Amino acid sequence: GAVVSQHPSWVICKSGTSVKIECRSLDFQATTMFWYRQFPKQSLMLMATSNEGSKATYEQGVEKDKFLINHASLTLSTLTVTSAHPEDSSFYICSARGQGSGYTFGSGTRLTVV
Amino acid sequence: SQELEQSPQSLIVQEGKNLTINCTSSKTLYGLYWYKQKYGEGLIFLMMLQKGGEEKSHEKITAKLDEKKQQSSLHITASQPSHAGIYLCGAGLNAGGTSYGKLTFGQGTILTVHP
Repeated sequence: GAVVSQHPSWVICKSGTSVKIECRSLDFQATTMFWYRQFPKQSLMLMATSNEGSKATYEQGVEKDKFLINHASLTLSTLTVTSAHPEDSSFYICSARGQGSGYTFGSGTRLTVV
Repeated sequence: SQELEQSPQSLIVQEGKNLTINCTSSKTLYGLYWYKQKYGEGLIFLMMLQKGGEEKSHEKITAKLDEKKQQSSLHITASQPSHAGIYLCGAGLNAGGTSYGKLTFGQGTILTVHP
């Protein structure tokens, strides 16, 4: 079945630094990738949708200059949290979808900003 | 207000008991997905329903989508501790369907199963 690999699974960074999270579709071409954020005991909140080769579409209230999304190929999308602050600490999950296929989720990345 | 309402928000049951989780929307659901999540981990796909009145089962879990495609239920028979986790429903809420569209998620239901 479809597999999405997300790395790193956890990361701790200092305030003010940037962190990059990768999401790879291993056995299918992901025409669309979605990035979600999840706070403890809460649901997934969609941050942005990206289609390969085009700019990401951000949800209302999500700062696109802070959360940079790149979807340069059909198998890789990255989320970069720039100038991270403690309030950016959260669980980030990507989801990938290929042509006519369902949604496959990565295993998530726990970001802690200290 | 939440576009997808899940109930209950949490559920504690004794092993062996049956339980039902509901997912309701005021909008038509274009593709309804059920996922299970362990805290701090990714989502495990359970089932996907598209047609009104559709019902699917896998092992002890049955999911249904009502005729109006505005409500879905997830039923677990003879629950086991391995069923514990967070159950999330996700759906496309746009008429364009989920062909390439985003999923909107409910708040999740935290299930605890006591042995």
